[in-house]
Amino acid sequence: EPEVTQTPSHQVTQMGQEVILHCVPISNHLYFYWYRQILGQKVEFLVSFYNNEISEKSEIFDDQFSVERPDGSNFTLKIRSTKLEDSAMYFCASRGQVSSYNSPLHFGNGTRLTVT
Amino acid sequence: GQQLNQNPQSMFIQEGEDVSMNCTSSSIFNTWLWYKQDPGEGPVLLIALYKAGELTSNGRLTAQFGITRKDSFLNISASIPSDVGIYFCAGQLYSGSARQLTFGSGTQLTVLP
Repeated sequence: EPEVTQTPSHQVTQMGQEVILHCVPISNHLYFYWYRQILGQKVEFLVSFYNNEISEKSEIFDDQFSVERPDGSNFTLKIRSTKLEDSAMYFCASRGQVSSYNSPLHFGNGTRLTVT
Repeated sequence: GQQLNQNPQSMFIQEGEDVSMNCTSSSIFNTWLWYKQDPGEGPVLLIALYKAGELTSNGRLTAQFGITRKDSFLNISASIPSDVGIYFCAGQLYSGSARQLTFGSGTQLTVLP
């Protein structure tokens, strides 16, 4: 079964550094998402992306965050200047073939970001 | 923003017992989803519900979309050790093309041998 693939599985960075998290969504999916989960808490929506632009973003997704689909397969999340509170699991998700209105989200296994 | 109340927060049950958990919301959703998350992994979809009143099964799992569209429950029958994990409900509201998910806070299930 097709999977959403995320790399790296664990990223350690120093406060103030830039990080880029990588995702390869399921091919032929059209909608892409980033969610995060702080340790022990629920999964929170960050941003959705469709047709090469952001569709919706949460209040968490401030100017330090950006997303990009640099080619036909990758979907990246960049944090420009990391803060300690950015430490979390970051999940990429994708959804939807062309004709599927109700298609559910499929999640990757996440990247654990640790900011020191 | 929309919030989901998921209960219980944690459960300790004996192997073979049935389990029930639920989610409620103050606002309606168009879709209810149930995910399971194992340690260090991403949420894995268990059941998706698309119509109010819908009752759907997936093996030993059964979930229902509440008639008011503001709640859902998940039942697991005859639990086994591999059922251990965190179960999340998620509501989806169609708003344009985004259709983001709102997650509940999770139910941590422990199955005792």
